[in-house]
Amino acid sequence: DSGVTQTPKHLITATGQRVTLRCSPRSGDLSVYWYQQSLDQGLQFLIQYYNGEERAKGNILERFSAQQFPDLHSELNLSSLELGDSALYFCASSPGSPTYYNEQFFGPGTRLTVL
Amino acid sequence: AQRVTQPEKLLSVFKGAPVELKCNYSYSGSPELFWYVQYSRQRLQLLLRHISRESIKGFTADLNKGETSFHLKKPFAQEEDSAMYYCALSPNSGYSTLTFGKGTMLLVSP
Repeated sequence: DSGVTQTPKHLITATGQRVTLRCSPRSGDLSVYWYQQSLDQGLQFLIQYYNGEERAKGNILERFSAQQFPDLHSELNLSSLELGDSALYFCASSPGSPTYYNEQFFGPGTRLTVL
Repeated sequence: AQRVTQPEKLLSVFKGAPVELKCNYSYSGSPELFWYVQYSRQRLQLLLRHISRESIKGFTADLNKGETSFHLKKPFAQEEDSAMYYCALSPNSGYSTLTFGKGTMLLVSP
């Protein structure tokens, strides 16, 4: 499958813990986007990386951080987890320039449950 | 700040009936508008974008700048159209990020 992949599919953890979500973009795509989907807030943009560099920031908490590695995969780190962080976290990738819209291709998501 | 509003959480219609999924946006510039769809057990995927002005799976959407709307329409709904539909906006100002609405679940009954 040459589409966007995300691991793990499900993650259950406790409050105060730290987790790392991983995303591998489509082959050749340089941009990676992270989104959080919750029942009350809907699908919210968190952060974008382009070819290893942070390009845009959305509603990302200070407890959250991300990076994109030289092989273009990306990781989203969530720390000091709270119950309200329980959500579906999507990664998307797109080719080309980050300065105009390219179609974004979404991964299947990681469902995070904080108990 | 940009915002996308989809006033209906759920829209239920019968097969063959016309469908209109509403989307309103607020943005100070000239954005690009999109409709994304998520079928059951599938990934979120692009349905159509306003600049392409094409019909996909019988759906069309017209950007009305005066009313700041981008409603999605289909004259005759099919059962396979049942899905979650998201309206999204991308600022036409050097960024390719998306701001999504909260989505409308379309249920088409036989």
